Amino acid sequence: KAGVTQTPRYLIKTRGQQVTLSCSPISGHRSVSWYQQTPGQGLQFLFEYFSETQRNKGNFPGRFSGRQFSNSRSEMNVSTLELGDSALYLCASSLRLAGDEQFFGPGTRLTVL
Amino acid sequence: DQQVKQNSPSLSVQEGRISILNCDYTNSMFDYFLWYKKYPAEGPTFLISISSIKDKNEDGRFTVFLNKSAKHLSLHIVPSQPGDSAVYFCAASARREKLTFGTGTRLTIIP
Repeated sequence: KAGVTQTPRYLIKTRGQQVTLSCSPISGHRSVSWYQQTPGQGLQFLFEYFSETQRNKGNFPGRFSGRQFSNSRSEMNVSTLELGDSALYLCASSLRLAGDEQFFGPGTRLTVL
Repeated sequence: DQQVKQNSPSLSVQEGRISILNCDYTNSMFDYFLWYKKYPAEGPTFLISISSIKDKNEDGRFTVFLNKSAKHLSLHIVPSQPGDSAVYFCAASARREKLTFGTGTRLTIIP
């Protein structure tokens, strides 16, 4: 069974631009969660989608948004990029519950210049 | 407010010895706990979990202990091997709604 895939793996943007990251969950998994990882901060929860609906949201500004498609694939978007948005963005999928064992993709490394 | 805390950013252990990684939590609603391991340039991979109805769970070289009264859990790795060198994250959830992660502990196994 193929694992969680994320594209692109690396991205360089400049301040003020916007970016879209993509995630394909494990086949059959319906819950997709997104995390931001920065040094010293661990994994900060962004949001979780289930059956195309945002079911849970972390404490991030409205510049961070996401969506999920009918095939469970998910995208997250960050608008008006700031230097502090430079981070590793991780996507994880689980069968049904976001608080169960999650399977992670390799992440997208975003650098904002 | 950091609800899951890993107070040791790093730990070095000799090969063959026991590695003990610690995690504290503040939210008494947490009822499910997990440990993940992360290598550079890879996503975290699931290691072991424990429900709040148990105080111990074993899987091969890995054992997780849960002390609910102290709101503390620990991961024991015995014996430690060079391939165990990685960053370890503990995570917790309440009613399986979402995972809250700690900041991680970098474990280095010294040959």
